[in-house]
Amino acid sequence: RKEVEQDPGPFNVPEGATVAFNCTYSNSASQSFFWYRQDCRKEPKLLMSVYSSGNEDGRFTAQLNRASQYISLLIRDSKLSDSATYLCGSGAGSYQLTFGKGTKLSVIP
Amino acid sequence: GAGVSQSPSNKVTEKGKDVELRCDPISGHTALYWYRQSLGQGLEFLIYFQGNSAPDKSGLPSDRFSAERTGGSVSTLTIQRTQQEDSAVYLCASRPRSQETQYFGPGTRLLVL
Repeated sequence: RKEVEQDPGPFNVPEGATVAFNCTYSNSASQSFFWYRQDCRKEPKLLMSVYSSGNEDGRFTAQLNRASQYISLLIRDSKLSDSATYLCGSGAGSYQLTFGKGTKLSVIP
Repeated sequence: GAGVSQSPSNKVTEKGKDVELRCDPISGHTALYWYRQSLGQGLEFLIYFQGNSAPDKSGLPSDRFSAERTGGSVSTLTIQRTQQEDSAVYLCASRPRSQETQYFGPGTRLLVL
């Protein structure tokens, strides 16, 4: 089983829709979690860190479920500009992050 | 401020040739990582540098791959006797000592013909 798994998608959603992605991790020692956004032919860019209490940044909400070992990303009121691949990463308190393969989102007019 | 920079942005080479990829981390970032991303795949960890400590080379796929970091700043990833399966985007990332968040450079797209 891979350490970090994501549904590759694609998720095709209309503008204005709410969409949610999950990311499961297998290492129970994981302590830090991140969502990165990667546009086509670009580098990953940090979208948000995921705190145990959950966090929200505008239209984006990230949650952590330690019991079930997954993190989620909720995007409300989707914009065309949200179209990208979303990578999740987890770290176990060491220096390495393990990344999933990403979930592709396409927001359709 | 300036982000992570990488050069060249694109590299086309012939099978069997050696290539060198360069990464300039964000100033003051003590940690530097190299990843490889093949088409449609996730980020494959290659190597990690932290300050003056010995690098973690556990992700290097073969002995044709090596990397060095001079003066705790610039890093060079070298691939010897390139193979077609080495074709990928090579991404560099850096982070400050006190954080786990990594900041990525734009990558080098390597195509081995």
